[in-house]
Amino acid sequence: GQSLEQPSEVTAVEGAIVQINCTYQTSGFYGLSWYQQHDGGAPTFLSYNALDGLEETGRFSSFLSRSDSYGYLLLQELQMKDSASYFCAAPRVTFGTGTKLQVIP
Amino acid sequence: EAGVAQSPRYKIIEKRQSVAFWCNPISGHATLYWYQQILGQGPKLLIQFQNNGVVDDSQLPKDRFSAERLKGVDSTLKIQPAKLEDSAVYLCASSPDGTSEKLFFGSGTQLSVL
Repeated sequence: GQSLEQPSEVTAVEGAIVQINCTYQTSGFYGLSWYQQHDGGAPTFLSYNALDGLEETGRFSSFLSRSDSYGYLLLQELQMKDSASYFCAAPRVTFGTGTKLQVIP
Repeated sequence: EAGVAQSPRYKIIEKRQSVAFWCNPISGHATLYWYQQILGQGPKLLIQFQNNGVVDDSQLPKDRFSAERLKGVDSTLKIQPAKLEDSAVYLCASSPDGTSEKLFFGSGTQLSVL
């Protein structure tokens, strides 16, 4: 089976940097994906890490350490529109518990 | 390009009634997924299709849930009879193939079972 654990809520200030962690236990590992979901909206793909290290896409970066069964999503220069839920996923099959990010002025 | 289309957007039914959801994936996408998302939780995979064949339905409650993708394009998910615990958002997603890590989601159908 697979399980992915995330903090339930995170609050950060506009313009700051925030890190959302994901720890996982999987029987087979095929990488880690991240999705953003605004309230009432569809999940939107952000990034995918197949190998250890950092992947950068604009203000968002994602990191993976397979030896530690751990990954994180890093959001820089936070904007109010970044307030949303963020999910890590063992791609396609199992999604994490989700982290609700609130960005405050 | 057009995104994943789902209908209806909202549905309210009473327990023991039946309900059906429809999904039209992005044109050319061979793989289609149905997920159930209960409020405050991550999406849970119900079934995965590759063209018109089922790849994974291990988490589909087959006593009450059924899904089909007869022509390998659009898909229907049905619940019969519905239970209170089926209240959730039902999300459809598609991808070009079964190995693609990037899924494209529709806006979902919010089901309330009273």
